[in-house]
Amino acid sequence: EAQVTQNPRYLITVTGKKLTVTCSQNMNHEYMSWYRQDPGLGLRQIYYSMNVEVTDKGDVPEGYKVSRKEKRNFPLILESPSPNQTSLYFCASSRGGTGGRKPQHFGDGTRLSIL
Amino acid sequence: DQQVKQNSPSLSVQEGRISILNCDYTNSMFDYFLWYKKYPAEGPTFLISISSIKDKNEDGRFTVFLNKSAKHLSLHIVPSQPGDSAVYFCAASANTGGFKTIFGAGTRLFVKA
Repeated sequence: EAQVTQNPRYLITVTGKKLTVTCSQNMNHEYMSWYRQDPGLGLRQIYYSMNVEVTDKGDVPEGYKVSRKEKRNFPLILESPSPNQTSLYFCASSRGGTGGRKPQHFGDGTRLSIL
Repeated sequence: DQQVKQNSPSLSVQEGRISILNCDYTNSMFDYFLWYKKYPAEGPTFLISISSIKDKNEDGRFTVFLNKSAKHLSLHIVPSQPGDSAVYFCAASANTGGFKTIFGAGTRLFVKA
């Protein structure tokens, strides 16, 4: 089954404790992306990757890091989480090299609470 | 400054009637638009898209209309069904300045049986 898998689905943690949210896709997609969803703001893009070793900032990259060492994986790293990063996070992937111009497949989300 | 705006947070329609969801954008460089549907506790799923070279795209009960001069697009669902109750996101991308995707805030659609 074609899917984007995020882990964990839920996490409650404390300010400053480094965390990583993993994302893996089994569709051999070139493009992967991370979004956060906040009430009234919709989905905002954090980082995206056009292919292995190619990443770029989205609209809200501050406080986040990503890496793309393998085509299937695109982890999101919060080096020093803060309460304003409490949000619902989605990973997505799509085929081709034209980013959001192809329909993206989304994971089911990761709800992060930073206390 | 939101480049993609969905000004109606919610919309309620009767089953069998038409649902019209609206989306406005400000960036004239956007040339590809997509609609996604989201159910609770799930990720968004792609619904329909339109390129700026067209003004209409249809897929079954779903039709998207694009008015470039007004920087406005709309999603029509006919006939509406209770299973269409979800949050709908409008998204836009440009062919320049990277490959970001900009989403609107979403519109929650309620279809009453």
